[in-house]
Amino acid sequence: EADIYQTPRYLVIGTGKKITLECSQTMGHDKMYWYQQDPGMELHLIHYSYGVNSTEKGDLSSESTVSRIRTEHFPLTLESARPSHTSQYLCASSGYPTGTPHSYEQYFGPGTRLTVT
Amino acid sequence: AQKVTQAQTEISVVEKEDVTLDCVYETRDTTYYLFWYKQPPSGELVFLIRRNSFDEQNEISGRYSWNFQKSTSSFNFTITASQVVDSAVYFCALIANSGYALNFGKGTSLLVTP
Repeated sequence: EADIYQTPRYLVIGTGKKITLECSQTMGHDKMYWYQQDPGMELHLIHYSYGVNSTEKGDLSSESTVSRIRTEHFPLTLESARPSHTSQYLCASSGYPTGTPHSYEQYFGPGTRLTVT
Repeated sequence: AQKVTQAQTEISVVEKEDVTLDCVYETRDTTYYLFWYKQPPSGELVFLIRRNSFDEQNEISGRYSWNFQKSTSSFNFTITASQVVDSAVYFCALIANSGYALNFGKGTSLLVTP
């Protein structure tokens, strides 16, 4: 059973506000990911991290930023929210046992549904 | 580059029917991994299965079975005797050994009615 947590689960916020979406995992995974998904649509990778102090942008351009100061924590920040940011944000982790096929399995958190008014 | 195609956007079946969800993939890598995930209405993605490119053995888990055929680059998922609780969006995904993240298909929405 995977243990990956996201808070808040739901967030409604006004345009221009700064927000941080939290993601934590207790599995000791080295890799973590953020995906953006509109309702009923495909997932788009927006950020990923291979380990502490390592972050990269994904395939989908995003105005958000991430940080990875601790292995277990991978927060995503929007400096100034806009209605176009309304979406579901899914956090995932993978990487254990290192170097095995199991390390490719990504486990997802419950997601944060963000609405920007 | 890797690509996953799920041609079926929506499928509707009556309970107890068998249903197959198709997945076709593209990759130039010889080592890669294929996955199926389930996304119920609550929104989280649930890992169902991983398959390695070097293992074409089909797998059965209860009412679920997976058919992996490298010759046709397909990794199809069959639910036998479907139940209402199987209603969800199902995603097929691929990662190559040289890749950094999963490549997802667009998903197939399955509706099982009583």
